[in-house]
Amino acid sequence: SQTIHQWPATLVQPVGSPLSLECTVEGTSNPNLYWYRQAAGRGLQLLFYSVGIGQISSEVPQNLSASRPQDRQFILSSKKLLLSDSGFYLCAWDPRWGRDEKLFFGSGTQLSVL
Amino acid sequence: QKEVEQDPGPLSVPEGAIVSLNCTYSNSAFQYFMWYRQYSRKGPELLMYTYSSGNKEDGRFTAQVDKSSKYISLFIRDSQPSDSATYLCAMRLDANAGGTSYGKLTFGQGTILTVHP
Repeated sequence: SQTIHQWPATLVQPVGSPLSLECTVEGTSNPNLYWYRQAAGRGLQLLFYSVGIGQISSEVPQNLSASRPQDRQFILSSKKLLLSDSGFYLCAWDPRWGRDEKLFFGSGTQLSVL
Repeated sequence: QKEVEQDPGPLSVPEGAIVSLNCTYSNSAFQYFMWYRQYSRKGPELLMYTYSSGNKEDGRFTAQVDKSSKYISLFIRDSQPSDSATYLCAMRLDANAGGTSYGKLTFGQGTILTVHP
């Protein structure tokens, strides 16, 4: 069966520090991968998605970047965190089977920038 | 105007009540409709998945889609305290509608539901 791992679960970082969040998917190959952010009391905002190794699409201009060095690995990064980067970050994947792909989420990372 | 509107609540009901959660949307090209349940500080989990208009039932949960009104609903029968969570509606375009939208979901704001014993 397929599983998605996301870590760390909680992170507290000072303003101006770098960031690296990692996500890996097991039990499937060539998935679409996504990074979402959820602000408190808000819906999910798509940040990045990737349809293959090295292929990254950004949905909103921001202080963050994403990379996909391996088929099932997706990394969210920042060189210098801002206060506004605080939020709940979720990695997700879909299997790209047929036309009714369903999106599955990791457990999330709560990032607090102080 | 947001593409997907969802009443954030909070909604508080007694155990055993029927819960109705709703979303409206503006993009008539949406074809896939989902409901996710999210417990506090956890990732959303897929609850219901519907293609186009119609009803779908799974145990105590029923999802309805009315594309003519651009309105979707989730009903929870015999609600339990364990149903207390945030419920997010989500929708996406058909894969043939445009490559740039392939696989991406548009979410509602989420409704916070509390079922008290």
